[in-house]
Amino acid sequence: LAKTTQPISMDSYEGQEVNITCSHNNIATNDYITWYQQFPSQGPRFIIQGYKTKVTNEVASLFIPADRKSSTLSLPRVSLSDTAVYYCLVGDGVTGGSYIPTFGRGTSLIVHP
Amino acid sequence: GAVVSQHPSRVICKSGTSVKIECRSLDFQATTMFWYRQFPKQSLMLMATSNEGSKATYEQGVEKDKFLINHASLTLSTLTVTSAHPEDSSFYICSAKRGGTDTQYFGPGTRLTVL
Repeated sequence: LAKTTQPISMDSYEGQEVNITCSHNNIATNDYITWYQQFPSQGPRFIIQGYKTKVTNEVASLFIPADRKSSTLSLPRVSLSDTAVYYCLVGDGVTGGSYIPTFGRGTSLIVHP
Repeated sequence: GAVVSQHPSRVICKSGTSVKIECRSLDFQATTMFWYRQFPKQSLMLMATSNEGSKATYEQGVEKDKFLINHASLTLSTLTVTSAHPEDSSFYICSAKRGGTDTQYFGPGTRLTVL
């Protein structure tokens, strides 16, 4: 199982860019990296997924170095509504594989006015 | 986008009763569904993996006779908490995984309170 390590908490201010790094030293060749956002009393929401290099969508960017032992979620110009817990998850991208999703502790991001 | 629903969103029951929670993938077929439990200010803990048409695989420490999981179709999985006790009070979340990708899509969660 690929274990993940993230900072427990981060603080930022509105309008700033926030980068959250996740370490996953034991990532396997077939593993993808997925980031989720969770608000209190809600299910996690998919943000972005990647395998290598850089992925960008309308809400975030994901940077993955060549060795894939870490990844960085980048949130541009955060707002108060981005205050949430962010989880990175690594998993077996092979269909039908014995994928056992394991959530780490996540990063609690607080955005201040 | 992929939408997963859960029903009910909130349930309060008496100790000793059973509670069923439904998880549905609304716009896609889910060959695999996962059930999680989350206690306040803690991370999600995987309880079991549910594959359509087969028995669920439970994580260590999760009692399969207490948490009954049925995945009868590609769009529906149910979790039944049998003989619920106050310590079963928690936030239960399901997710569904589309075939061919690794992405899980999560339901909104069910808040269970056992009195």
